[in-house]
Amino acid sequence: DAEITQSPRHKITETGRQVTLACHQTWNHNNMFWYRQDLGHGLRLIHYSYGVQDTNKGEVSDGYSVSRSNTEDLPLTLESAASSQTSVYFCASSDRTGYGYTFGSGTRLTVV
Amino acid sequence: DAKTTQPPSMDCAEGRAANLPCNHSTISGNEYVYWYRQIHSQGPQYIIHGLKNNETNEMASLIITEDRKSSTLILPHATLRDTAVYYCIVSRINAGKSTFGDGTTLTVKP
Repeated sequence: DAEITQSPRHKITETGRQVTLACHQTWNHNNMFWYRQDLGHGLRLIHYSYGVQDTNKGEVSDGYSVSRSNTEDLPLTLESAASSQTSVYFCASSDRTGYGYTFGSGTRLTVV
Repeated sequence: DAKTTQPPSMDCAEGRAANLPCNHSTISGNEYVYWYRQIHSQGPQYIIHGLKNNETNEMASLIITEDRKSSTLILPHATLRDTAVYYCIVSRINAGKSTFGDGTTLTVKP
């Protein structure tokens, strides 16, 4: 069955370190997204991609970067982790038929 | 994308219908209404979407007013497992990115 997987599920890192969160989907979806969710709040869009070599900034992109070298993967990199980036990160994908997003299970990142 | 307004929380008795409202008064003609839910700390799950006609699937029904400025998600027979945060989103069907607000926390009580 097709799926979208995120890794790691949990990560603890130190302030200033570079961190990469992985997102891999086998739906063959063109669109991929990264959201963060802080405790008790909704999801905020970080970056998104509509296809290979395409990347776009979302509403909270500062301190994050993504690259899309193939259809399946959209890794999220925190260039220099800060405590304010402690959050749960969700990856999602969608195609162009309009049947909504498919979300991954999330990565809980703690920056100490 | 148009913004949406949802009540922060609602309760529902188990076995009863849960009716979750959403206002989207600035919706454009080519924008769809989408509903998702998030159970505990899992990733959100797509429920249903619609443009102007009422829609029904195995999970829920979506009622959109004639002027399209509001909608209601109906869970016909709520169970304890329907306790979750429900998000109403408005988006063009091929727009890709969507904005999630804080949603409505639905608590189904025995």
